[in-house]
Amino acid sequence: EPEVTQTPSHQVTQMGQEVILRCVPISNHLYFYWYRQILGQKVEFLVSFYNNEISEKSEIFDDQFSVERPDGSNFTLKIRSTKLEDSAMYFCASRLGQKNSPLHFGNGTRLTVT
Amino acid sequence: LAKTTQPISMDSYEGQEVNITCSHNNIATNDYITWYQQFPSQGPRFIIQGYKTKVTNEVASLFIPADRKSSTLSLPRVSLSDTAVYYCLVGDWNRDDKIIFGKGTRLHILP
Repeated sequence: EPEVTQTPSHQVTQMGQEVILRCVPISNHLYFYWYRQILGQKVEFLVSFYNNEISEKSEIFDDQFSVERPDGSNFTLKIRSTKLEDSAMYFCASRLGQKNSPLHFGNGTRLTVT
Repeated sequence: LAKTTQPISMDSYEGQEVNITCSHNNIATNDYITWYQQFPSQGPRFIIQGYKTKVTNEVASLFIPADRKSSTLSLPRVSLSDTAVYYCLVGDWNRDDKIIFGKGTRLHILP
């Protein structure tokens, strides 16, 4: 069964540094998402992306965040200047695009900001 | 976006049937009901989706009454490996692509 893959599985960075989290969605999916989950808390929506543009974003997704689908297969989340509070699991998800097709999640990248 | 309410946590024993109910009083006509399961340090995994009546797959059943203001996820004969957080989501994702997860129900299966 095809799956969403995320790299790296764990990234450690220093406060103020830029990080790029990478995702390869399922190949025929049309909608792409990033979520984050701080340890012990709920899964939080960050952004959705369709047709090469952001379709929805949350208040968490401020100017420090950006997304890109540079080559038709990868989907990246960039955090420009990381803060301690950005430490979390970041999940990428994709879905087919048919009416209410379900989300398929990757196994996440654990980001630790020191 | 329909607000959902689920129990915060539930305990059950191996071999039992577990039913988790989700309330969604302001569900809209075109909204679907979708359940996800999440194990620690993994991404949520789709379990089942329905619009009305009953849906069954190899993992679970989903019961939706006629008024659609609630739904019940039924897990038959649970095992220890069913210990996870279960999320109920309600929405029309063709109209609103901001797919929000609530706090979910933490299910703990005891031996």
